Amino acid sequence: AQSVTQLGSHVSVSEGALVLLRCNYSSSVPPYLFWYVQYPNQGLQLLLKYTSAATLVKGINGFEAEFKKSETSFHLTKPSAHMSDAAEYFCAVSLNNNDMRFGAGTRLTVKP
Amino acid sequence: NAGVMQNPRHLVRRRGQEARLRCSPMKGHSHVYWYRQLPEEGLKFMVYLQKENIIDESGMPKERFSAEFPKEGPSILRIQQVVRGDSAAYFCASSRPGTTQETQYFGPGTRLLVL
Repeated sequence: AQSVTQLGSHVSVSEGALVLLRCNYSSSVPPYLFWYVQYPNQGLQLLLKYTSAATLVKGINGFEAEFKKSETSFHLTKPSAHMSDAAEYFCAVSLNNNDMRFGAGTRLTVKP
Repeated sequence: NAGVMQNPRHLVRRRGQEARLRCSPMKGHSHVYWYRQLPEEGLKFMVYLQKENIIDESGMPKERFSAEFPKEGPSILRIQQVVRGDSAAYFCASSRPGTTQETQYFGPGTRLLVL
């Protein structure tokens, strides 16, 4: 069965600094990979998804993620953090339309 | 185009009562998924439904929990005889039908508190 591991339950960066949120996946076949963001007391919003079309995926709000098969990773990055990026970020993996598995989440704090 | 709607947004129940959570998918979406999020944890898959059919309920607790997605109306997640451990945020997601991986769009969630 597929699964994801998010390294670091809390990440803190300064405003303007690089954001790097780590996600490693486990899957027996090429997976679909997703990053979602959750703001307090809200639902999840899709940031980006990987569907094998391109290894570097660009998402909303300046985020991007790179699929690295050799490292089984799908880390999320943003060159310059903004205060509004403070939220919980979830990595997810799916092999088909219904079986999506989420990581435990990484809470991003942005310091002024 | 309205997004996924869930109601109520907050629900308080006493132990032993029933909780009914509703989810209206996005227009054109016929697939619905329910997830549970416990405090400080990620989302756990519960059930996947299409109109009038339960496709995958492998994440549903064996007792007290049920889900339906009737031909008309919203999808309902029903929890009978709630216990304190049922307190969580319950999220619904919907997607279009398709043969490839379709994006799941999430509702704002229902936060259930069992006293």
